[in-house]
Amino acid sequence: DTGVSQDPRHKITKRGQNVTFRCDPISEHNRLYWYRQTLGQGPEFLTYFQNEAQLEKSRLLSDRFSAERPKGSFSTLEIQRTEQGDSAMYLCASSLGHPEYGYTFGSGTRLTVV
Amino acid sequence: DQQVKQNSPSLSVQEGRISILNCDYTNSMFDYFLWYKKYPAEGPTFLISISSIKDKNEDGRFTVFLNKSAKHLSLHIVPSQPGDSAVYFCAANNGGYSTLTFGKGTMLLVSP
Repeated sequence: DTGVSQDPRHKITKRGQNVTFRCDPISEHNRLYWYRQTLGQGPEFLTYFQNEAQLEKSRLLSDRFSAERPKGSFSTLEIQRTEQGDSAMYLCASSLGHPEYGYTFGSGTRLTVV
Repeated sequence: DQQVKQNSPSLSVQEGRISILNCDYTNSMFDYFLWYKKYPAEGPTFLISISSIKDKNEDGRFTVFLNKSAKHLSLHIVPSQPGDSAVYFCAANNGGYSTLTFGKGTMLLVSP
């Protein structure tokens, strides 16, 4: 088990471009979460999946954001028409669900929109 | 509104002494509280959790205390080591299998 993997680690893009991030969770974890973290803030919830079903989306997730988890394995987060305010660390995490054991986070994807 | 608050942005402690990190919350429906540690350029790492029905949980050098009446929890690290220098996040779970709400974090610096 190699933990939660995120790709790419860093992404620089021009405003208005689309970007897609990938997350590979721990294989036996059925829950997968996307969070966003900006400087000086804690991680903020974006969305989560149980298996392939997207069960909750935050109001932070504008219509420019879309997430998928086909077949309940890896997940992708796409941001369309990026804006400078989208610059942040995008964190993926997975878990078996019980809150006592928390989530296992990946190392994140650092997005910079120029 | 910030449901989980960490009011101290930073804390400096000498090696060997106790580090106490504080967290306040406003939502009485939170049923689990967790602490995470984060090094630069890495994702947060789970440290320890406590159920709302308990007032203390211990794991090695880390102890979390929960005061429900005050809606306050704290993480004690004894003894502190330079490798503990990191940002510590308090997080809370809003019942069942819901998602975690995080505080803004406290940067701990342990000096030799």
